[in-house]
Amino acid sequence: DTEVTQTPKHLVMGMTNKKSLKCEQHMGHRAMYWYKQKAKKPPELMFVYSYEKLSINESVPSRFSPECPNSSLLNLHLHALQPEDSALYLCASSRVVLRGGRDTQYFGPGTRLTVL
Amino acid sequence: GENVEQHPSTLSVQEGDSAVIKCTYSDSASNYFPWYKQELGKRPQLIIDIRSNVGEKKDQRIAVTLNKTAKHFSLHITETQPEDSAVYFCAASRGPAGSYQLTFGKGTKLSVIP
Repeated sequence: DTEVTQTPKHLVMGMTNKKSLKCEQHMGHRAMYWYKQKAKKPPELMFVYSYEKLSINESVPSRFSPECPNSSLLNLHLHALQPEDSALYLCASSRVVLRGGRDTQYFGPGTRLTVL
Repeated sequence: GENVEQHPSTLSVQEGDSAVIKCTYSDSASNYFPWYKQELGKRPQLIIDIRSNVGEKKDQRIAVTLNKTAKHFSLHITETQPEDSAVYFCAASRGPAGSYQLTFGKGTKLSVIP
């Protein structure tokens, strides 16, 4: 399996809802990432997990809560989001190589999130 | 931190012509430079990458060149086809095997006119 998969493809939620995004890969990658991408912009890094431990949090608001329950799964829990959080949320994964270095990143198809 | 500038922001070429997209980076320690293609509504897909120990890499109609002295790298697409139409992002990172996070350019929207 050479793909990163994400569910759901689309999500519409209200500002008081709680929802979760899911990401899965079976490439044996031990680094996983969450990105946020607004229209016509490049992906913005949110979180990085290495060996199931959070290694980078790019000052993301606490209404976004990541979780890495095992080496194949990555979740992003959403609570009390704002309309400006509407975006494409991309997951990516990569190998961890050479003293903890991370290799080429492969992206999932994304979840298109709309916050009403 | 790293800053990556990408030009042009839009590019239109006739089918069969070549397309060139250029990026410059600011951090001389950057050592890994991938290019991603993103079609409308799809995921970014890696099309080619280059590491700082080589100056050029080719894969069929796609090539990337790296000039470490000038801190710029370029994507070259030859014999363009309509299916090459997409947004292309360059990126840079540093550290062991590019372990630091990717810094992306702002993207180039390439349109190939049949």
